[in-house]
Amino acid sequence: EAGVTQFPSHSVIEKGQTVTLRCDPISGHDNLYWYRRVMGKEIKFLLHFVKESKQDESGMPNNRFLAERTGGTYSTLKVQPAELEDSGVYFCASSQSQSYNSPLHFGNGTRLTVT
Amino acid sequence: RKEVEQDPGPFNVPEGATVAFNCTYSNSASQSFFWYRQDCRKEPKLLMSVYSSGNEDGRFTAQLNRASQYISLLIRDSKLSDSATYLCAVNKANTGNQFYFGTGTSLTVIP
Repeated sequence: EAGVTQFPSHSVIEKGQTVTLRCDPISGHDNLYWYRRVMGKEIKFLLHFVKESKQDESGMPNNRFLAERTGGTYSTLKVQPAELEDSGVYFCASSQSQSYNSPLHFGNGTRLTVT
Repeated sequence: RKEVEQDPGPFNVPEGATVAFNCTYSNSASQSFFWYRQDCRKEPKLLMSVYSSGNEDGRFTAQLNRASQYISLLIRDSKLSDSATYLCAVNKANTGNQFYFGTGTSLTVIP
């Protein structure tokens, strides 16, 4: 079974540019999450999709971040315009059910550097 | 106050040693608990869930202490391959399915 896949694995962009990250969850997982780890800090929640619907987007930092999951399959996270503080590793995760005891399965992350 | 706190370490232990990590959580409403392992520049991988009665998986034992609001991970007979960062994760049922992570505890097993 293929795991969660993310693309690209690395991205280096200049401040003010736009970047779009993609995540393909494990097949059959309706629940998809975006998390971010800024250097030296803990992994922090950004948002949660159930199928194509945003269940919880309370962790999104500001309106420069836009996540979509059209069709309830893969998801994209767009940052526009990027700022220096957006640098970090963006992880996507999926889970089989919405139950709180259903663990997350992570992708290998996108390392974003904004210069 | 952070939702989840861990001692960052590093813990440097010889092969064969037993090592234990603790992780404290601030919200008594927390419902589910997990340990993840993260290798350098890799994604976190689920190590084990933590059940109320405690649970064991080979050399790994996880325990939950609700009264003191902490979870623990015990690794027996440490192997070189156990070297990694260990993250605890906590989920509060009343926030949907939002996990809170600690910053991780670094373990190096020395030959």
